[in-house]
Amino acid sequence: GESVGLHLPTLSVQEGDNSIINCAYSNSASDYFIWYKQESGKGPQFIIDIRSNMDKRQGQRVTVLLNKTVKHLSLQIAATQPGDSAVYFCAESTSGTYKYIFGTGTRLKVLA
Amino acid sequence: EPEVTQTPSHQVTQMGQEVILRCVPISNHLYFYWYRQILGQKVEFLVSFYNNEISEKSEIFDDQFSVERPDGSNFTLKIRSTKLEDSAMYFCATRLAGVADTQYFGPGTRLTVL
Repeated sequence: GESVGLHLPTLSVQEGDNSIINCAYSNSASDYFIWYKQESGKGPQFIIDIRSNMDKRQGQRVTVLLNKTVKHLSLQIAATQPGDSAVYFCAESTSGTYKYIFGTGTRLKVLA
Repeated sequence: EPEVTQTPSHQVTQMGQEVILRCVPISNHLYFYWYRQILGQKVEFLVSFYNNEISEKSEIFDDQFSVERPDGSNFTLKIRSTKLEDSAMYFCATRLAGVADTQYFGPGTRLTVL
């Protein structure tokens, strides 16, 4: 039978606007969360992380928000630029384990 | 800035053949991982490796897979008898220490099984 890849949700934003990418995680025991950016043909590139004892963390032009009550993570990118176009993945991890569990990913398209 | 490197960038092999994918971790990193990503799908955990032992592995990592740190610098993933469904991008990741320190990913090896 035909193998079909996952259809990635796509977010299109105008250059200069803010972007918000959302992620629902699955394990309530997860205590470490990471956002990765993946450009075509490349490996995941670390953007920002947050531990479960925080609900917000800011980096350069990026902010991660964590809502443990509803198991939701978001990545905000300020003043989105064409170079931000990529697929963004969230990943979760739990103390005592060694692996990351990745989400499905969101494709961000920046329109000039 | 130190990076994880992987070789080859692209490997084409016939079904049933053995392949070895190589990774050079960031120096002084202690934890090593392999993940794979089938085209258009999400990144999936395969195995983690610490202190010359497998720490954890997924159900994907069956007897056809093995990992090794043969010379103290390289970290390898071997697939003994490749299948068509092994075609994917394979990413190596490494991290320094601690329970939840960040994993840094290499550029990947694209494996194509014909």
